[in-house]
Amino acid sequence: SQQGEEDPQALSIQEGENATMNCSYKTSINNLQWYRQNSGRGLVHLILIRSNEREKHSGRLRVTLDTSKKSSSLLITASRAADTASYFCATDAIGAGTASKLTFGTGTRLQVTL
Amino acid sequence: SQTIHQWPATLVQPVGSPLSLECTVEGTSNPNLYWYRQAAGRGLQLLFYSVGIGQISSEVPQNLSASRPQDRQFILSSKKLLLSDSGFYLCAWSDYRAPSLFGPGTRLTVL
Repeated sequence: SQQGEEDPQALSIQEGENATMNCSYKTSINNLQWYRQNSGRGLVHLILIRSNEREKHSGRLRVTLDTSKKSSSLLITASRAADTASYFCATDAIGAGTASKLTFGTGTRLQVTL
Repeated sequence: SQTIHQWPATLVQPVGSPLSLECTVEGTSNPNLYWYRQAAGRGLQLLFYSVGIGQISSEVPQNLSASRPQDRQFILSSKKLLLSDSGFYLCAWSDYRAPSLFGPGTRLTVL
């Protein structure tokens, strides 16, 4: 079953605006990762935040993690048309043995218009 | 650095035909390997994961099976495809500490 759920399911903004996507999950995690997927393509890893971290930055991306609320957010600042894509969060919880097991949310479809 | 290869990139198969999708990883040893499926416009569903040769864990009961004959090879198979098996299949690599890496995917259409 899906571990995470993104909110909103779809987001449409104008170029230059900020985009915020949220992710909620259910079980304890080792880390949480955000990915981007352009239409019909493979996934591109954006950022990983560990369970003992609260905030992480990478370029125009800012990720926060609140383990007490079991939630994370991805902020894209000064969005560009090229940011148009689907964004997924994935949680890494311990599975059988020593396997780390990524479980994905349902994704947020971001549309950035000129 | 690690790389993941998947083939074929696209595949069109009739209902009832067999399936074999291959994933190979370079630049790492003893990786944890995963198969995901993404239906059109949907999120990713974890199908199988493997922590070593011959070790397969299935996440959901279905018409598919997986095998890991070598350390860096992961195969997804079916004896008889169903229409519902259509989708985008992604192989991924992970370990406890590192970010995951995904392959380019195989788009399967079952007619």
